[in-house]
Amino acid sequence: DSGVTQTPKHLITATGQRVTLRCSPRSGDLSVYWYQQSLDQGLQFLIQYYNGEERAKGNILERFSAQQFPDLHSELNLSSLELGDSALYFCASSVDGGRMIGELFFGEGSRLTVL
Amino acid sequence: GEDVEQSLFLSVREGDSSVINCTYTDSSSTYLYWYKQEPGAGLQLLTYIFSNMDMKQDQRLTVLLNKKDKHLSLRIADTQTGDSAIYFCAESKSGNTPLVFGKGTRLSVIA
Repeated sequence: DSGVTQTPKHLITATGQRVTLRCSPRSGDLSVYWYQQSLDQGLQFLIQYYNGEERAKGNILERFSAQQFPDLHSELNLSSLELGDSALYFCASSVDGGRMIGELFFGEGSRLTVL
Repeated sequence: GEDVEQSLFLSVREGDSSVINCTYTDSSSTYLYWYKQEPGAGLQLLTYIFSNMDMKQDQRLTVLLNKKDKHLSLRIADTQTGDSAIYFCAESKSGNTPLVFGKGTRLSVIA
């Protein structure tokens, strides 16, 4: 158990809909990362938050947004969903933004299926 | 730019050594990592190496780094069925930047 909790574990929805994925980082971790894992693209970095503020942005679509709340949990919002958004979405956390050895602790992921 | 490449599949017999290879393009990468993903689980850090090192050994794991060729490898000695998983190579410039992952190598261990 990594200590990172993601909900929901599975989600099935239709095209055009909007969903919210939630992540609770390990106790004490200030940084949260979101990654998207698909068969063809592998593991793609979406966005990073550190202590409530956006720190780095990767290949995140404009239809997607995220935030980190004062209690450090994070939410990833996916809107106007398309079939190609079907993927496994991982949240990871680290203590200090990964300044030391880059050890990220991953949750088990939220599997999104868009029909 | 940053791009990490790995072969997608590797199959070995139980007891043999496994070698998983990775190439990266960003010569300024400072930290290189190997993560393991077991079925139905998130990724877990296996080991890492700083770019000023050539080799790192940790029990059954040996990491070799060739900076000139931008090539990283992970050797698993005496591979067991429990080693079956997807192995991801990742790089980071400073440890303070998000990790860039390869697509992962699926290791299958045949008993």
